[in-house]
Amino acid sequence: DAGVIQSPRHEVTEMGQEVTLRCKPISGHNSLFWYRQTMMRGLELLIYFNNNVPIDDSGMPEDRFSAKMPNASFSTLKIQPSEPRDSAVYFCASSGGGATYNEQFFGPGTRLTVL
Amino acid sequence: QQQVKQSPQSLIVQKGGISIINCAYENTAFDYFPWYQQFPGKGPALLIAIRPDVSEKKEGRFTISFNKSAKQFSLHIMDSQPGDSATYFCAASGNAGNMLTFGGGTRLMVKP
Repeated sequence: DAGVIQSPRHEVTEMGQEVTLRCKPISGHNSLFWYRQTMMRGLELLIYFNNNVPIDDSGMPEDRFSAKMPNASFSTLKIQPSEPRDSAVYFCASSGGGATYNEQFFGPGTRLTVL
Repeated sequence: QQQVKQSPQSLIVQKGGISIINCAYENTAFDYFPWYQQFPGKGPALLIAIRPDVSEKKEGRFTISFNKSAKQFSLHIMDSQPGDSATYFCAASGNAGNMLTFGGGTRLMVKP
């Protein structure tokens, strides 16, 4: 199994530009999570999908952030317009099925830099 | 209250020593307490986890101690090695399904 796949691994953009981060969860997992990690705020949950349906988006910072999961094998996190304070590492994680259903498997992350 | 409080923020231990990281929670509905390990440039990965029906779980050099009445749990790393140098996160999950509430993280450095 390839694990959780995220793209791009690195993204550098200018303030005001649209940024789209992509995630492919582990096949068979029915829950998907987007996290943001910064030195100041640690690991923050942004949004959580279960069976492709958003369950909790209370961590989404503001309307500039949106996330979709059109099918079980793909999700996007979009920031429009981006701002320098959005610079962070964004992780996607998936979980589901089996006795240890709570275990979340993280992708390698996307390091976003907004200039 | 969904918060999980973790301490210390950073820890330096000599090779062969014991590393201890502590976490405390408020929500009595939490019933799953994992620890995640994160190396630089990587995503967090599950290290060890415990459910509140036991007070201790050991896997190799890693042990979780759980105190339900105090609502605290801790990670002990015995015979710490330089390869254990990483950031460690405690977490908790409960009635919210698969959602995890993470602690703030502890950056561990094991000196040779």
